[in-house]
Amino acid sequence: QSVLTQPPSVSGAPGQGVTISCTGGRSNIGADYDVHWYQQVPGDAPKLLIYGNTNRPSGVSDRFSASKSGTSASLAITGLLPEDEADYYCQSFDSNLSGSVFGGGTKLTVL
Amino acid sequence: EVQLVESGGGLIQSGGSLRLSCVASGFTFSNYAMNWVRQAPGRGPEWVSYIGSGSLASHYAGSLGGRFTISRDNAKNSLYLQMNNVRDDDTGLYYCVRETIGTNGYDVWGRGTMVTVSS
Repeated sequence: QSVLTQPPSVSGAPGQGVTISCTGGRSNIGADYDVHWYQQVPGDAPKLLIYGNTNRPSGVSDRFSASKSGTSASLAITGLLPEDEADYYCQSFDSNLSGSVFGGGTKLTVL
Repeated sequence: EVQLVESGGGLIQSGGSLRLSCVASGFTFSNYAMNWVRQAPGRGPEWVSYIGSGSLASHYAGSLGGRFTISRDNAKNSLYLQMNNVRDDDTGLYYCVRETIGTNGYDVWGRGTMVTVSS
């Protein structure tokens, strides 16, 4: 089981929006460590989507946004496109484990 | 172009040793902390190890049991992972990953090198 919990799957129709949650605890997200989000298309390496809780790297669409509150974080995707179909992972630091931790991943299906 | 290229993976018997390498280009390697992240088939990413920009600090996932050693050579723009006494659950794609300055996000990933442990 992953230290950070994500729903296994979410889905939405083209043009709609979805939200992916990432639930942690007092030793990671709740300890105010940054949360980062990645998109992974099958066969490719993960790609940084959001860093430092809310920041988008250059080149990432503004359809992607994220927030953090308490021991949880969430990724929102608006205006779904077929190419958004991928696996999404959250990541943070855990003080008990003294290292980075990833969520188990959420598979987004664009219907 | 910013790039990380891993090598050194392959098929290895349980209990054996392997050394992974990663060559960086397109950025000032010595300015960045680096990590190894692995991904078992059909699973999510798993952080393996971290090394600071000047090699003063290194950290490892607790599950490794002290079997792996991370190192770097800034003069050669290279990162390494020495894997000893490998186990079946070490099988996976090993990514060389650059850490974002100021936070521990991972902003540049290589394509990975595959390690397959056979028993």
